[in-house]
Amino acid sequence: AQSVAQPEDQVNVAEGNPLTVKCTYSVSGNPYLFWYVQYPNRGLQFLLKYITGDNLVKGSYGFEAEFNKSQTSFHLKKPSALVSDSALYFCAVRGPRNTGFQKLVFGTGTRLLVSP
Amino acid sequence: GAGVSQSPSNKVTEKGKDVELRCDPISGHTALYWYRQSLGQGLEFLIYFQGNSAPDKSGLPSDRFSAERTGGSVSTLTIQRTQQEDSAVYLCASSLANGGNQPQHFGDGTRLSIL
Repeated sequence: AQSVAQPEDQVNVAEGNPLTVKCTYSVSGNPYLFWYVQYPNRGLQFLLKYITGDNLVKGSYGFEAEFNKSQTSFHLKKPSALVSDSALYFCAVRGPRNTGFQKLVFGTGTRLLVSP
Repeated sequence: GAGVSQSPSNKVTEKGKDVELRCDPISGHTALYWYRQSLGQGLEFLIYFQGNSAPDKSGLPSDRFSAERTGGSVSTLTIQRTQQEDSAVYLCASSLANGGNQPQHFGDGTRLSIL
């Protein structure tokens, strides 16, 4: 079954420093991976996706993610964090192609706190 | 509007009552999804509609839950005889025709509280 793991409940970083939010995945077949961000009392906003191609994917708001097949990881990164990046971040993978490709399977989320 | 619209934004009801939650997807999006977000269970898939195909109901937690999508646009999620464990945020999403690589765009959700 498809699954993603976000090993950190919370990540703390100072404004201006680089940030990394970790995600590892387990899939059958090729992974279709996504990152979403959720601000308080809001829905999820799409940040970026990896389907195929370059391992470094660039997305919204200066975020990027690196797909690493050998480590089955898809970590979210940003070179310089902003206080406004403080939010809840979710990694997600498409369900298995034969039974649930339309579904997104989400990780448990990582809260990012950027201090001034 | 440009995004997925959900109503109501908040709903408080008594245990045993029925509730209806509404989702208006982005215009032109043929795929529509319902998810549930709760503290204990995280984000869970509930149901998926694609065009005129039969919906994928595999994520519905019990037969008290049902959903329909009329005219290929607006969807309603109905919970009958609500229980306290139904308290959660119900999120709707839509996407272009499901090619696997299409991102899902989410509404702001309906926060459901069962007293």
